[in-house]
Amino acid sequence: GAGVSQSPSNKVTEKGKDVELRCDPISGHTALYWYRQSLGQGLEFLIYFQGNSAPDKSGLPSDRFSAERTGGSVSTLTIQRTQQEDSAVYLCASSPGRSNQPQHFGDGTRLSIL
Amino acid sequence: KQEVTQIPAALSVPEGENLVLNCSFTDSAIYNLQWFRQDPGKGLTSLLLIQSSQREQTSGRLNASLDKSSGRSTLYIAASQPGDSATYLCAVRQGDSWGKFQFGAGTQVVVTP
Repeated sequence: GAGVSQSPSNKVTEKGKDVELRCDPISGHTALYWYRQSLGQGLEFLIYFQGNSAPDKSGLPSDRFSAERTGGSVSTLTIQRTQQEDSAVYLCASSPGRSNQPQHFGDGTRLSIL
Repeated sequence: KQEVTQIPAALSVPEGENLVLNCSFTDSAIYNLQWFRQDPGKGLTSLLLIQSSQREQTSGRLNASLDKSSGRSTLYIAASQPGDSATYLCAVRQGDSWGKFQFGAGTQVVVTP
């Protein structure tokens, strides 16, 4: 499709397990963002990729969280040793790089930690 | 640290009324401000983006204004329809970190037929 694609749409896992969330941005978009949306909360910035530059990881809440972006396209957000407070909707967005263009969001991955 | 606040948190209006949604931010050093709509279980849809040098943007029934010096933006939706029911979020793009957006918590809007 033409939009940002995220998978899985829902993920239920046990506390302590590792999870991987995938984001496929719009083709040609060089900027990619990850956000977390907890119940009743606003969106929390996690990490930002721009082309081949070093990512801005300043929003990652702990060292259990990491993300990579391979080949400047698909990105994977990994959460190790998941905890119940990690339960949230994880949203990915992309935009055409360093321009004042709007972000385009995927539908998110709803993560539930039992 | 930038703080973005949206008031009210929830709003219910009868169909046909105009909607006024408010967004305030504490640090005026922004690149731009964006308004989004979020439907339940979905991601965000961009509605309007206002550059820091602009005062307003319009698209159809939507109009967004920006007063950077006072740290305020207002989204107006004219002649509301039930299909406008959603949560509306504003986000500011910070001047000191290109990729970092700061979001408000949103205003949940219900338009009753």
